[in-house]
Amino acid sequence: NAGVTQTPKFQVLKTGQSMTLQCAQDMNHEYMSWYRQDPGMGLRLIHYSVGAGITDQGEVPNGYNVSRSTTEDFPLRLLSAAPSQTSVYFCASSFGGKETQYFGPGTRLLVL
Amino acid sequence: TQLLEQSPQFLSIQEGENLTVYCNSSSVFSSLQWYRQEPGEGPVLLVTVVTGGEVKKLKRLTFQFGDARKDSSLHITAAQPGDTGLYLCAGAGGGGADGLTFGKGTHLIIQP
Repeated sequence: NAGVTQTPKFQVLKTGQSMTLQCAQDMNHEYMSWYRQDPGMGLRLIHYSVGAGITDQGEVPNGYNVSRSTTEDFPLRLLSAAPSQTSVYFCASSFGGKETQYFGPGTRLLVL
Repeated sequence: TQLLEQSPQFLSIQEGENLTVYCNSSSVFSSLQWYRQEPGEGPVLLVTVVTGGEVKKLKRLTFQFGDARKDSSLHITAAQPGDTGLYLCAGAGGGGADGLTFGKGTHLIIQP
């Protein structure tokens, strides 16, 4: 099993550009989530999904969209990138929101 | 909003020393997870504690869940350079609330 995979590993964007961060898991987990990690702020939940077709907002959802068309994939879209979105983004999957979270390796995003 | 406070934020000690990091809250959690994150990677689960007063050992690491399930500690005996990393605690809320609340983490450096 590959576990949780994320692409790209690194990305540089200009302010106003859009992009999609990809996340896939092969563990048949129903629950998937996106976090951002910033120095001194810890992991903050952006969006999460309890199953295909169902998504909900986390703590810091503004500026991000998600969709869950399949169990395996949970892409995160930045609609119009801003410097405040410079961060490391982690995707995680699990059998449930309170269960062990399996994290991907992260995407490091720099918005200029 | 459930908050988890971790202390200390940073800790740098010599190889062979003992240390304890703390995870405290005013809220009760149904379970608490500890993760370790190494540079450039996603967090990886170390242990989950569920019962108040529970103690779990993982080689030189000892985890304890407070009797009231509001706090937890991680004690490392004879720290090794391989223990270096960011240690995160995450609490699962009581009742029907889904998801985890993460602390901001303790950055641990073990110097040879």
